[in-house]
Amino acid sequence: GQSLEQPSEVTAVEGAIVQINCTYQTSGFYGLSWYQQHDGGAPTFLSYNALDGLEETGRFSSFLSRSDSYGYLLLQELQMKDSASYFCAVLNSGGYQKVTFGTGTKLQVIP
Amino acid sequence: DAMVIQNPRYQVTQFGKPVTLSCSQTLNHNVMYWYQQKSSQAPKLLFHYYDKDFNNEADTPDNFQSRRPNTSFCFLDIRSPGLGDAAMYLCATSRVQGRTDTQYFGPGTRLTVL
Repeated sequence: GQSLEQPSEVTAVEGAIVQINCTYQTSGFYGLSWYQQHDGGAPTFLSYNALDGLEETGRFSSFLSRSDSYGYLLLQELQMKDSASYFCAVLNSGGYQKVTFGTGTKLQVIP
Repeated sequence: DAMVIQNPRYQVTQFGKPVTLSCSQTLNHNVMYWYQQKSSQAPKLLFHYYDKDFNNEADTPDNFQSRRPNTSFCFLDIRSPGLGDAAMYLCATSRVQGRTDTQYFGPGTRLTVL
Protein backbone atom coordinates (compact mmCIF):
# COMPACT_ATOMS: atom_id res chain seq x y z
CA GLY A 1 0.00 0.00 0.00
CA GLN A 2 0.90 3.62 -0.22
CA SER A 3 0.43 6.49 2.20
CA LEU A 4 1.50 10.10 2.37
CA GLU A 5 1.13 12.04 5.60
CA GLN A 6 1.02 15.79 6.03
CA PRO A 7 -0.07 18.05 8.89
CA SER A 8 -3.72 18.91 8.39
CA GLU A 9 -3.45 22.61 9.20
CA VAL A 10 -0.73 25.22 9.62
CA THR A 11 -1.09 28.87 10.56
CA ALA A 12 1.65 31.43 9.95
CA VAL A 13 2.10 35.17 9.98
CA GLU A 14 2.44 37.26 6.84
CA GLY A 15 6.11 37.77 5.99
CA ALA A 16 7.23 34.72 7.94
CA ILE A 17 8.60 31.36 6.76
CA VAL A 18 6.64 28.13 7.00
CA GLN A 19 7.62 24.52 6.35
CA ILE A 20 5.09 21.86 5.38
CA ASN A 21 6.30 18.30 5.86
CA CYS A 22 5.41 15.18 3.97
CA THR A 23 6.33 11.61 4.84
CA TYR A 24 5.54 8.80 2.48
CA GLN A 25 5.44 5.05 2.27
CA THR A 26 5.32 3.61 -1.20
CA SER A 27 6.31 0.43 -2.95
CA GLY A 28 7.90 2.29 -5.82
CA PHE A 29 9.11 5.85 -5.96
CA TYR A 30 10.27 8.13 -8.71
CA GLY A 31 9.79 11.56 -7.19
CA LEU A 32 7.81 13.93 -5.01
CA SER A 33 5.71 16.84 -6.25
CA TRP A 34 3.96 19.71 -4.54
CA TYR A 35 0.69 21.29 -5.61
CA GLN A 36 -1.17 24.35 -4.37
CA GLN A 37 -4.95 24.52 -4.36
CA HIS A 38 -7.01 27.55 -3.43
CA ASP A 39 -10.56 27.05 -2.19
CA GLY A 40 -12.81 26.30 -5.14
CA GLY A 41 -9.88 26.12 -7.54
CA ALA A 42 -7.88 23.41 -9.23
CA PRO A 43 -4.45 22.26 -8.06
CA THR A 44 -1.49 24.03 -9.61
CA PHE A 45 1.99 22.57 -9.85
CA LEU A 46 4.68 24.06 -7.63
CA SER A 47 7.72 21.79 -7.72
CA TYR A 48 9.09 18.30 -8.30
CA ASN A 49 12.04 16.55 -6.65
CA ALA A 50 13.49 13.34 -8.00
CA LEU A 51 16.87 13.61 -6.29
CA ASP A 52 17.85 14.36 -2.72
CA GLY A 53 18.32 17.98 -1.89
CA LEU A 54 16.73 21.36 -2.16
CA GLU A 55 15.05 22.84 -5.23
CA GLU A 56 14.33 26.56 -5.16
CA THR A 57 11.74 28.39 -7.22
CA GLY A 58 11.31 31.96 -6.13
CA ARG A 59 9.77 32.14 -2.67
CA PHE A 60 9.10 28.41 -2.66
CA SER A 61 11.64 25.66 -2.06
CA SER A 62 11.15 21.92 -1.89
CA PHE A 63 13.37 19.35 -0.25
CA LEU A 64 13.60 15.59 -0.60
CA SER A 65 15.38 12.88 1.37
CA ARG A 66 14.81 9.54 -0.34
CA SER A 67 16.53 7.59 2.42
CA ASP A 68 14.14 9.08 5.00
CA SER A 69 11.06 8.95 2.73
CA TYR A 70 10.53 12.58 3.64
CA GLY A 71 10.14 15.89 1.95
CA TYR A 72 9.04 19.38 2.74
CA LEU A 73 7.83 22.53 1.08
CA LEU A 74 9.28 25.79 2.37
CA LEU A 75 7.42 29.02 1.77
CA GLN A 76 9.28 32.26 2.46
CA GLU A 77 8.06 35.84 2.78
CA LEU A 78 4.53 34.61 3.22
CA GLN A 79 1.77 36.58 1.56
CA MET A 80 -1.94 36.50 2.24
CA LYS A 81 -2.49 34.95 -1.18
CA ASP A 82 -0.47 31.92 -0.06
CA SER A 83 -3.44 30.84 2.07
CA ALA A 84 -4.41 27.61 0.36
CA SER A 85 -4.16 23.85 0.64
CA TYR A 86 -0.84 22.25 -0.23
CA PHE A 87 -0.54 18.65 -1.36
CA CYS A 88 2.51 16.50 -1.75
CA ALA A 89 2.24 13.78 -4.35
CA VAL A 90 4.35 10.75 -5.13
CA LEU A 91 5.11 9.69 -8.67
CA ASN A 92 5.10 5.92 -8.51
CA SER A 93 7.26 3.57 -10.46
CA GLY A 94 4.70 0.79 -10.43
CA GLY A 95 2.54 2.07 -13.23
CA TYR A 96 2.66 4.48 -16.09
CA GLN A 97 2.92 7.88 -14.47
CA LYS A 98 0.67 6.99 -11.56
CA VAL A 99 0.49 9.77 -8.98
CA THR A 100 -0.77 9.49 -5.40
CA PHE A 101 -1.66 12.63 -3.47
CA GLY A 102 -1.03 13.25 0.21
CA THR A 103 -3.68 14.20 2.71
CA GLY A 104 -3.12 17.92 2.21
CA THR A 105 -2.18 20.80 4.50
CA LYS A 106 -4.40 23.82 4.84
CA LEU A 107 -2.23 26.89 5.31
CA GLN A 108 -3.72 30.00 6.80
CA VAL A 109 -1.68 33.18 6.59
CA ILE A 110 -2.67 35.82 9.13
CA PRO A 111 -1.74 39.49 9.21
CA ASP B 1 -5.17 30.54 -23.63
CA ALA B 2 -6.97 27.72 -21.84
CA MET B 3 -4.89 24.57 -21.79
CA VAL B 4 -7.10 21.99 -20.05
CA ILE B 5 -10.79 22.55 -20.50
CA GLN B 6 -13.55 20.77 -18.67
CA ASN B 7 -17.21 20.84 -19.54
CA PRO B 8 -19.54 21.46 -17.98
CA ARG B 9 -18.23 23.37 -14.97
CA TYR B 10 -21.31 22.42 -12.98
CA GLN B 11 -23.42 19.35 -13.55
CA VAL B 12 -26.60 18.42 -11.75
CA THR B 13 -28.01 14.96 -12.24
CA GLN B 14 -30.56 12.74 -10.63
CA PHE B 15 -29.82 9.63 -8.66
CA GLY B 16 -29.20 6.84 -11.14
CA LYS B 17 -29.23 9.03 -14.25
CA PRO B 18 -26.07 8.57 -16.36
CA VAL B 19 -23.81 11.54 -16.79
CA THR B 20 -20.76 12.25 -18.94
CA LEU B 21 -18.06 14.75 -18.11
CA SER B 22 -15.62 15.89 -20.74
CA CYS B 23 -12.05 17.09 -20.78
CA SER B 24 -10.02 18.47 -23.64
CA GLN B 25 -6.46 19.70 -23.83
CA THR B 26 -4.43 21.82 -26.21
CA LEU B 27 -1.07 20.78 -24.77
CA ASN B 28 -0.68 17.56 -26.78
CA HIS B 29 0.21 15.73 -23.59
CA ASN B 30 0.23 11.97 -23.75
CA VAL B 31 -1.02 11.31 -20.20
CA MET B 32 -4.50 12.25 -19.01
CA TYR B 33 -5.89 11.70 -15.52
CA TRP B 34 -9.29 11.74 -13.88
CA TYR B 35 -9.49 12.56 -10.19
CA GLN B 36 -12.38 12.72 -7.78
CA GLN B 37 -12.09 15.28 -4.99
CA LYS B 38 -14.53 15.61 -2.14
CA SER B 39 -14.67 18.54 0.20
CA SER B 40 -11.50 19.02 2.30
CA GLN B 41 -9.96 15.84 0.88
CA ALA B 42 -7.09 15.10 -1.44
CA PRO B 43 -7.69 14.37 -5.11
CA LYS B 44 -8.25 10.65 -5.55
CA LEU B 45 -7.03 9.11 -8.78
CA LEU B 46 -9.77 7.21 -10.60
CA PHE B 47 -7.86 6.23 -13.74
CA HIS B 48 -5.37 7.54 -16.21
CA TYR B 49 -4.30 7.07 -19.80
CA TYR B 50 -0.73 6.82 -20.89
CA ASP B 51 -1.23 7.37 -24.60
CA LYS B 52 -3.95 4.83 -25.39
CA ASP B 53 -3.10 2.55 -22.49
CA PHE B 54 -5.81 2.67 -19.87
CA ASN B 55 -4.89 2.28 -16.19
CA ASN B 56 -7.72 1.73 -13.77
CA GLU B 57 -7.23 2.11 -10.03
CA ALA B 58 -8.15 -1.02 -8.10
CA ASP B 59 -10.66 0.82 -5.91
CA THR B 60 -12.40 2.78 -8.67
CA PRO B 61 -16.03 1.63 -8.71
CA ASP B 62 -17.30 -0.13 -11.81
CA ASN B 63 -19.86 2.64 -12.04
CA PHE B 64 -17.09 4.85 -13.43
CA GLN B 65 -15.89 4.41 -16.98
CA SER B 66 -13.62 6.43 -19.20
CA ARG B 67 -12.96 6.91 -22.88
CA ARG B 68 -10.14 8.62 -24.70
CA PRO B 69 -11.00 8.74 -28.40
CA ASN B 70 -7.93 10.78 -29.31
CA THR B 71 -5.02 12.62 -27.71
CA SER B 72 -7.02 15.76 -27.04
CA PHE B 73 -10.18 14.43 -25.48
CA CYS B 74 -11.08 12.29 -22.50
CA PHE B 75 -14.48 11.49 -21.06
CA LEU B 76 -15.67 10.30 -17.67
CA ASP B 77 -18.93 8.36 -17.68
CA ILE B 78 -20.79 7.71 -14.46
CA ARG B 79 -23.35 5.08 -15.32
CA SER B 80 -25.59 5.27 -12.28
CA PRO B 81 -24.63 8.16 -10.03
CA GLY B 82 -25.28 7.78 -6.34
CA LEU B 83 -25.37 10.45 -3.67
CA GLY B 84 -21.83 9.49 -2.70
CA ASP B 85 -20.57 10.41 -6.16
CA ALA B 86 -21.24 14.10 -5.61
CA ALA B 87 -17.81 15.68 -5.81
CA MET B 88 -15.46 17.80 -7.87
CA TYR B 89 -14.04 15.87 -10.82
CA LEU B 90 -10.67 17.04 -11.99
CA CYS B 91 -8.98 16.27 -15.26
CA ALA B 92 -5.24 16.68 -15.54
CA THR B 93 -2.60 16.14 -18.20
CA SER B 94 1.13 15.64 -18.22
CA ARG B 95 3.84 14.97 -20.75
CA VAL B 96 6.10 12.11 -19.85
CA GLN B 97 9.66 13.33 -19.96
CA GLY B 98 12.30 11.56 -17.93
CA ARG B 99 9.84 10.42 -15.28
CA THR B 100 8.85 13.81 -14.05
CA ASP B 101 5.49 14.86 -12.72
CA THR B 102 4.10 18.18 -13.81
CA GLN B 103 0.38 17.94 -14.09
CA TYR B 104 -1.80 20.63 -15.56
CA PHE B 105 -5.28 20.60 -14.12
CA GLY B 106 -8.52 21.75 -15.63
CA PRO B 107 -10.91 23.89 -13.58
CA GLY B 108 -12.97 20.86 -12.62
CA THR B 109 -16.61 19.85 -12.92
CA ARG B 110 -18.66 20.01 -9.76
CA LEU B 111 -21.20 17.22 -9.80
CA THR B 112 -24.36 17.39 -7.73
CA VAL B 113 -26.57 14.32 -7.41
CA LEU B 114 -30.18 14.88 -6.38
